[in-house]
Amino acid sequence: QQQVKQSPQSLIVQKGGISIINCAYENTAFDYFPWYQQFPGKGPALLIAIRPDVSEKKEGRFTISFNKSAKQFSLHIMDSQPGDSATYFCAAASSGNTPLVFGKGTRLSVIA
Amino acid sequence: GAGVSQSPRYKVTKRGQDVALRCDPISGHVSLYWYRQALGQGPEFLTYFNYEAQQDKSGLPNDRFSAERPEGSISTLTIQRTEQRDSAMYRCASSFVGGELFFGEGSRLTVL
Repeated sequence: QQQVKQSPQSLIVQKGGISIINCAYENTAFDYFPWYQQFPGKGPALLIAIRPDVSEKKEGRFTISFNKSAKQFSLHIMDSQPGDSATYFCAAASSGNTPLVFGKGTRLSVIA
Repeated sequence: GAGVSQSPRYKVTKRGQDVALRCDPISGHVSLYWYRQALGQGPEFLTYFNYEAQQDKSGLPNDRFSAERPEGSISTLTIQRTEQRDSAMYRCASSFVGGELFFGEGSRLTVL
């Protein structure tokens, strides 16, 4: 049973465009939703995270949109740059010290 | 060091051999997690510790896998009688309790 479903599997975006990656979860106990960015040969690194008390969080060009009723959240990358090309993972966890459950990842390629 | 350190970075072993993978977390981080990441997939939870106590080992695939963190710092993931299906990237992450996970660069295990 996959607890966090991520789509698309891969994405190609023109430089300057908007990249959108979606995730859906099943466990209503989840209340922490981070996105991780992973470059080849490196470990995943936290990019941005949201808790369900807000519907949107923005940090620079990166925005998380959260829809609690639909149990979905998404990552938007505005003005996408070639340096954003990486694999992005959504994840979820419930309060306290529970382990993160990750999606399968989206490979983003930003082309000039 | 400043980050999570894992060793060895690469390990090639023959089927049936035992392997031990080491993780040295960020100094002061209470929580330590082990994940397994197959190529093109998201990290899959294996087990985690708070201090020296193993809190959750539900992700360990079978009893050939074990982990310890005897002094609440360095951790070792041991795989006994390795099989080809154990080939993967094994990632360690550490955090303060409930805090952001910082991942190491991983140990790539290949079982021939």
